[in-house]
Order: sequence, then structure tokens, then C-alpha cells
Amino acid sequence: SQKIEQNSEALNIQEGKTATLTCNYTNYSPAYLQWYRQDPGRGPVFLLLIRENEKEKRKERLKVTFDTTLKQSLFHITASQPADSATYLCALETDRGSTLGRLYFGRGTQLTVWP
Amino acid sequence: GAVVSQHPSRVICKSGTSVKIECRSLDFQATTMFWYRQFPKQSLMLMATSNEGSKATYEQGVEKDKFLINHASLTLSTLTVTSAHPEDSSFYICSAPVAGTDTQYFGPGTRLTVL
Repeated sequence: SQKIEQNSEALNIQEGKTATLTCNYTNYSPAYLQWYRQDPGRGPVFLLLIRENEKEKRKERLKVTFDTTLKQSLFHITASQPADSATYLCALETDRGSTLGRLYFGRGTQLTVWP
Repeated sequence: GAVVSQHPSRVICKSGTSVKIECRSLDFQATTMFWYRQFPKQSLMLMATSNEGSKATYEQGVEKDKFLINHASLTLSTLTVTSAHPEDSSFYICSAPVAGTDTQYFGPGTRLTVL
């Protein structure tokens, strides 16, 4: 069966450290992998997208890697801040026609950054 | 940036009644919108793809007669939960891709509670 697993339900780290979140998938062949942030009671907010032929993508303090052999993506937040506390979702996009394709989400990892 | 709104943000209804949820793209046109459902501490589950001017495409296991989708204009899609039951209580979220970009913008979600 198809699965998208995010390594842990919760991750607690100290401010200033690097948070590393993992997304593993089985029985998918994603063309794109995306990471979103979701705050309680809100819709997801797009952070980064990485294509199947890309190894790494960066945006400010965020970095995403994508290993299609391992079927894994790592999401890093460097110099973490309490404001980074939220749930982070991994989403796979398997096909795309003339417009963006359907997204399949993991359950998310709830990150808490403490001062 | 692109904004997607949803109305209402919260709704409480009695079992057996129907509820309509609106999803609007405020500053861009969306020929396609997606509807998701999220139960507490669960991943977003794609329910259906809403296509402007044509029938919606439903994911496996989603009853099209229960979850009616209408995409009557390039900025509005509606989801009607018919004959709602307590097990339909959930967080419903829509999204819309923006042409020429690599991302989808999500609405803030609608919390449905069926008594």
C-alpha cells in the first residue's frame, strides 16, 4: 500500500539549534515533493518544493533534500526560533498536467522550539 | 500574494441537514481547486478535484452524491455535505494552484461539527 511517513509525531529542540524532519514514502513515484507549515486551526502554508531531479533546495533558513533512491526527503530549519513552532507537512505530487497535480500528505511533525 | 478564502470558518449543524462551504480565490483565477478533509492529528486527505465548468473528480472511497462539488466560476468552488452525520465532522480545506507557479494556496479551512 502507499504510505507517507514523517519520522516522528513531535520534535522538541532548543532555540538556535537545527531542526531536521524526515519524510519517507513507499509505493509512490513523486515528480515533486513539497513541504508545508500548518498552525493549529489553519490551512497549510507552502514553504518549499523540490523536483525529482533535484537533490537540494534552499530558502533562507530552510533546506530540503530529496533522495529518490532512498525514497526520502529531509527538511532542515537552521537557527530555529520559537516562532518556527508549528506542524510541518510533507506532500507528494505524482502527476501534473497543464496545472498542478493532486497532493498526498503525511501526518506531519509537530515542532516545538523552546527558548 | 495569492489568497484563498473559505466561508464559513466554522459551522455547527444538526444530523441530517446539508451544509455548503465556499472556497474563493480572491486575486487570481483558478480553473482547478482541490478539496481536502483533515481529522484531528491526521493528514490532509484529498477528497476531490473541482474543475471549472465540468464535473468534479472524486478520490476513491469518497461518495460523490454525499459531497457535492460545484465549480461555477473561475474564482468559486463550493462543497455541499448532504445529509450530514456526526462522522462527517472534520476540518475541510480547499486549495487552488496559481498558473505559472509551482505551488497551491490553501484556504484557512472550515470546521464542521455535526450534532
